[in-house]
Amino acid sequence: RKEVEQDPGPFNVPEGATVAFNCTYSNSASQSFFWYRQDCRKEPKLLMSVYSSGNEDGRFTAQLNRASQYISLLIRDSKLSDSATYLCVVNWSGGYNKLIFGAGTRLAVHP
Amino acid sequence: GAGVSQSPSNKVTEKGKDVELRCDPISGHTALYWYRQRLGQGLEFLIYFQGNSAPDKSGLPSDRFSAERTGESVSTLTIQRTQQEDSAVYLCASSTGTGSHEQYFGPGTRLTVT
Repeated sequence: RKEVEQDPGPFNVPEGATVAFNCTYSNSASQSFFWYRQDCRKEPKLLMSVYSSGNEDGRFTAQLNRASQYISLLIRDSKLSDSATYLCVVNWSGGYNKLIFGAGTRLAVHP
Repeated sequence: GAGVSQSPSNKVTEKGKDVELRCDPISGHTALYWYRQRLGQGLEFLIYFQGNSAPDKSGLPSDRFSAERTGESVSTLTIQRTQQEDSAVYLCASSTGTGSHEQYFGPGTRLTVT
């Protein structure tokens, strides 16, 4: 089983739609979770951290379910500029800041 | 301020040649990471440096791959006797290493082995 698994997509949605991505991780001792965004042929950039209580940043909401070992990202009112690959990222619990990246979920928002 | 920089941005080399890739982390960042990303694939961890500690080399795919870092500055990733399967984007990232897990990535080096 992969350490971090995501549906590769692509998710093709119209502008204004709400879209949700899920991600599962295998290491129950993982402590920190993130969503990164990667545009085509660009480097990944941090989108948001994921906290146990859930957190929201504008149109983006992240949730963590430790019992089921999954993380979700909800995007409301999708914009064309949201088109990108969304990477689920989990901190490896071995004592330092090693991040394990999922392969990503591709989102395409169309007019 | 300046972000993570990498050079060269593109490198085309013949199979069997050695290549050296360079990464300049953000000043003051003690942690530095190298990743490989093949076309259409996710990031593959290669190696991690933290200050003067022994690096975590667990992700290096073979003994043809090696990396060095002098103190908390520049790092070089060397691939010897390149193979076609080494073709990928090699990404470098740095972080403060003091509890923040946010990694700041450079633009990558696109390596093509012909």
